[in-house]
Amino acid sequence: AQKVTQAQTEISVVEKEDVTLDCVYETRDTTYYLFWYKQPPSGELVFLIRRNSFDEQNEISGRYSWNFQKSTSSFNFTITASQVVDSAVYFCALSGSNTNAGKSTFGDGTTLTVKP
Amino acid sequence: AAGVIQSPRHLIKEKRETATLKCYPIPRHDTVYWYQQGPGQDPQFLISFYEKMQSDKGSIPDRFSAQQFSDYHSELNMSSLELGDSALYFCASSPRTGRHEQFFGPGTRLTVL
Repeated sequence: AQKVTQAQTEISVVEKEDVTLDCVYETRDTTYYLFWYKQPPSGELVFLIRRNSFDEQNEISGRYSWNFQKSTSSFNFTITASQVVDSAVYFCALSGSNTNAGKSTFGDGTTLTVKP
Repeated sequence: AAGVIQSPRHLIKEKRETATLKCYPIPRHDTVYWYQQGPGQDPQFLISFYEKMQSDKGSIPDRFSAQQFSDYHSELNMSSLELGDSALYFCASSPRTGRHEQFFGPGTRLTVL
């Protein structure tokens, strides 16, 4: 069985602060994929990043960065210099390679509020 | 670039009525997934189809059924609607060569009164 845990239910920061959203996962698959999605109040799921289990390189995209550590089964997401527009629910998700191929298991989500 | 299309975007139904949600995957995507997201919850996998055959099944109620058609679009049929069925329903599609490259549609917001 797959499981994704986002321990932080809600985070509130002031604009320009850095914030890290934690994600810990469990899977028995040797090959798997990890995702982060942003869900603004409008409801759509905005894809942010996909990482496969063989690629442990950290990635930076503008103010966003991701730290994948297979040894601790974590895939954390950092927003640098947060902005009000970053306010949303962020989901970490996992997709396995075998019988779970394709379907995603989501964490409970972290609600990020960035105050001006 | 073409995205996943879902219709309708909003739907209001009464209890015990039926509803049909439609999903049009990205061209050349042969796999479709359905997810249900209740208020304040994470998306939960319902069912998926690959090449018009059901490929996986999650926590989909017996009152719901789905299918994928020859043009790869999919429909989720929901009968005897209950208040608890009020949710966002997402469809996602993926290509044959990238099963884990899921693209989500904008969702259908179903409200059951």
